[in-house]
Amino acid sequence: AQSVTQPDIHITVSEGASLELRCNYSYGATPYLFWYVQSPGQGLQLLLKYFSGDTLVQGIKGFEAEFKRSQSSFNLRKPSVHWSDAAEYFCAVAPNAGNNRKLIWGLGTSLAVNP
Amino acid sequence: NAGVTQTPKFQVLKTGQSMTLQCAQDMNHNSMYWYRQDPGMGLRLIYYSASEGTTDKGEVPNGYNVSRLNKREFSLRLESAAPSQTSVYFCASSPPPEAYGGTQYFGPGTRLTVL
Repeated sequence: AQSVTQPDIHITVSEGASLELRCNYSYGATPYLFWYVQSPGQGLQLLLKYFSGDTLVQGIKGFEAEFKRSQSSFNLRKPSVHWSDAAEYFCAVAPNAGNNRKLIWGLGTSLAVNP
Repeated sequence: NAGVTQTPKFQVLKTGQSMTLQCAQDMNHNSMYWYRQDPGMGLRLIYYSASEGTTDKGEVPNGYNVSRLNKREFSLRLESAAPSQTSVYFCASSPPPEAYGGTQYFGPGTRLTVL
């Protein structure tokens, strides 16, 4: 069955430290890949997405993610975290063919930032 | 563009009461979705509409009905609310999959409490 795993439920980092959030997927072919962020009390905002081409993709707010086909992973990174990055982060995948493009979601990683 | 709008933002119901959550998008998207978000369970799809005039069940449709009123609007109805339906409800929309691979755009959410 198709699935998305975010192994870390909760992560705490210090402001200015680097960040990596993990995402692994189980899917028969290379899907479309997404990272969304949800600030407290807000809706979800698209951070970045991978469809094809360069496996390192840049997103908003200084985030980037790298697609590694051999590891079925799409990890999110940021070199220096800001206090405003404290939020919930969701990884999602979608089939890359057909008319059914419903997203399959991970359960999310909650990020706390220490001053 | 307002994007995806949802009303109301907050609602408290008593068990057995009914209500309709409203969602509208002004991006001319074909597909629309209703999710619920509960702690530790991520996003779960309730219903979706791939295009005007069609609706399909998602993972957790029991206790809900939907109407795709036109291309812009997609409403979610709780006929007889139960405490288990206490949740945050998100509406989302997406353009044709061949164009954007299933990228979804979210509204701000409705926080529903059923007593």
